[in-house]
Amino acid sequence: DTGVSQDPRHKITKRGQNVTFRCDPISEHNRLYWYRQTLGQGPEFLTYFQNEAQLEKSRLLSDRFSAERPKGSFSTLEIQRTEQGDSAMYLCASSTQQGQPQHFGDGTRLSIL
Amino acid sequence: AQSVTQPDIHITVSEGASLELRCNYSYGATPYLFWYVQSPGQGLQLLLKYFSGDTLVQGIKGFEAEFKRSQSSFNLRKPSVHWSDAAEYFCAVGAGGFTGGGNKLTFGTGTQLKVEL
Repeated sequence: DTGVSQDPRHKITKRGQNVTFRCDPISEHNRLYWYRQTLGQGPEFLTYFQNEAQLEKSRLLSDRFSAERPKGSFSTLEIQRTEQGDSAMYLCASSTQQGQPQHFGDGTRLSIL
Repeated sequence: AQSVTQPDIHITVSEGASLELRCNYSYGATPYLFWYVQSPGQGLQLLLKYFSGDTLVQGIKGFEAEFKRSQSSFNLRKPSVHWSDAAEYFCAVGAGGFTGGGNKLTFGTGTQLKVEL
């Protein structure tokens, strides 16, 4: 069990640029979740995959955000035309099935200049 | 909609003292309940979980939590705090039972624990 891995750990970019984050879940986990955490708040749900299917998206996930999990293994989260308000920690989690504990990665810290 | 309230934003305790962090949840059916801990710049580590059965659950690092349905609470406790317990603690609720959904988690705003030596 190597844990959930996220890359990069930190990303600094200028407003208006596109960014992409990667998440590698624990290998036998078929469920993968993305959350966003801003300073002083708890994580907020963005979206979730079961295998390669994206089954739920939060209203927080505007049309500038897109997530994929093409082969049911790793996932990417892309933000287009970044805005100041996108600055946050983006957390990925995975689990084996519904109701089982979600295991979190260390997150990607996004800073928008 | 599910929600979680952690009424204490900051708590300071002396090393060796007991600890209780409060969590109240709102959910219409049987919830799944979790406590996670987060150190600065890190992800979340699962401390313990409640799904069903015994309402007192044991977790890692000497933590325990008690599910009280009548009070909609899931408070976290530790009999003797260590300096290394200083971190932020999050309570979370997920939909229990088979909902056909993804079992996304809803988190509280967290409690920052400071431990005085």
